[in-house]
Amino acid sequence: EAGVTQSPTHLIKTRGQQATLRCSPISGHTSVYWYQQALGLGLQFLLWYDEGEERNRGNFPPRFSGRQFPNYSSELNVNALELEDSALYLCASSLGGRAGDTQYFGPGTRLTVL
Amino acid sequence: TQLLEQSPQFLSIQEGENLTVYCNSSSVFSSLQWYRQEPGEGPVLLVTVVTGGEVKKLKRLTFQFGDARKDSSLHITAAQPGDTGLYLCAGAPAGGTSYGKLTFGQGTILTVHP
Repeated sequence: EAGVTQSPTHLIKTRGQQATLRCSPISGHTSVYWYQQALGLGLQFLLWYDEGEERNRGNFPPRFSGRQFPNYSSELNVNALELEDSALYLCASSLGGRAGDTQYFGPGTRLTVL
Repeated sequence: TQLLEQSPQFLSIQEGENLTVYCNSSSVFSSLQWYRQEPGEGPVLLVTVVTGGEVKKLKRLTFQFGDARKDSSLHITAAQPGDTGLYLCAGAPAGGTSYGKLTFGQGTILTVHP
């Protein structure tokens, strides 16, 4: 069974540009989560989507947004990129949005903002 | 805000030694997950513990969830160089505004020398 997949693997942008990151969950999983892992800051929760709806959001500015498509894949968009947005962006999926559902992570997208 | 304090932050040991990593919180979690992450890759799930007092064994790794579901430990017996990596604990909230978010510990970087 295929795991969570993310694309692209690496993304290089300049300050002020927009970045789009993509994620495909494990087959049968309806929930998709996005996390940011910046150097020295650990994993920080960004967004949670379930059944096409945004269910929860972390402490990030509105220029971080996303959506979930009918096939449960998801996009994370980051507008007006800033240098401190450089990080590994991780997507995870779970069977549903129930408390305690195990989240399985993809390999990540390394975003570098110059 | 739920916090998970993970310790130690760094651990450097010789092959064959035992070690324990701790995760502590003042908050109750519905479940706690342990992950291992290699540089530049996504976290890989090791185990999920759900019941207070639960002990799970995975070969040389023993995971324990505290009775009150506020803390957890990972014990590795006879560590091997292949155990080297970043170990992360992550707590799933019981509900409320944190629903869907995993709260991650700061991580433990383990280095096992041959």
